[in-house]
Amino acid sequence: EAGVVQSPRYKIIEKKQPVAFWCNPISGHNTLYWYRQNLGQGPELLIRYENEEAVDDSQLPKDRFSAERLKGVDSTLKIQPAELGDSAVYLCASSLVRAPNTGELFFGEGSRLTVL
Amino acid sequence: AQSVTQLGSHVSVSEGALVLLRCNYSSSVPPYLFWYVQYPNQGLQLLLKYTTGATLVKGINGFEAEFKKSETSFHLTKPSAHMSDAAEYFCAADFGNEKLTFGTGTRLTIIP
Repeated sequence: EAGVVQSPRYKIIEKKQPVAFWCNPISGHNTLYWYRQNLGQGPELLIRYENEEAVDDSQLPKDRFSAERLKGVDSTLKIQPAELGDSAVYLCASSLVRAPNTGELFFGEGSRLTVL
Repeated sequence: AQSVTQLGSHVSVSEGALVLLRCNYSSSVPPYLFWYVQYPNQGLQLLLKYTTGATLVKGINGFEAEFKKSETSFHLTKPSAHMSDAAEYFCAADFGNEKLTFGTGTRLTIIP
């Protein structure tokens, strides 16, 4: 069974440029998460989807970040325009049931963003 | 504020020695607790979790953790370290808001 797939693995951009990250969750997983992991820190939740509905986006900086999950499967996280402080690893995770207390999160390998 | 603290950003142990990675939480109500591991160039994967019941939890690859409410701790241990255990380990908690709050991680190095 394929795991959570993310692309690109690495992205280097100039500040003020846009960037997008894509995530394909494990087949059948209806809950999808985007986390951001800054250097030397643990992951922090940006947004959680139940199917195509964003049920928790309280930590998403909505002035420059946007996300969508069309048809309740793949998801895209966009930053426009990027700032130096956005340099981080962006992690996507999925779960079969509403995690974390009842289920297990499966993480992708992450997309490492460097903003110059 | 609710938080997770991991003592020691880097831990080195000799192969065959005891592994002890420390995790404490701050919360008036005991949370659900988790340990995740991240091997080089891989995504995080669940090692073990504590929700209810037995306070000593066994996970994959010989790891276990004990929930101690009186100490607000959930330390991760393994009796004998193996070279393949070299990775970054994250303690995490669900404080009842259905999302994981992670600690800052501990990088484990195994000395041959």
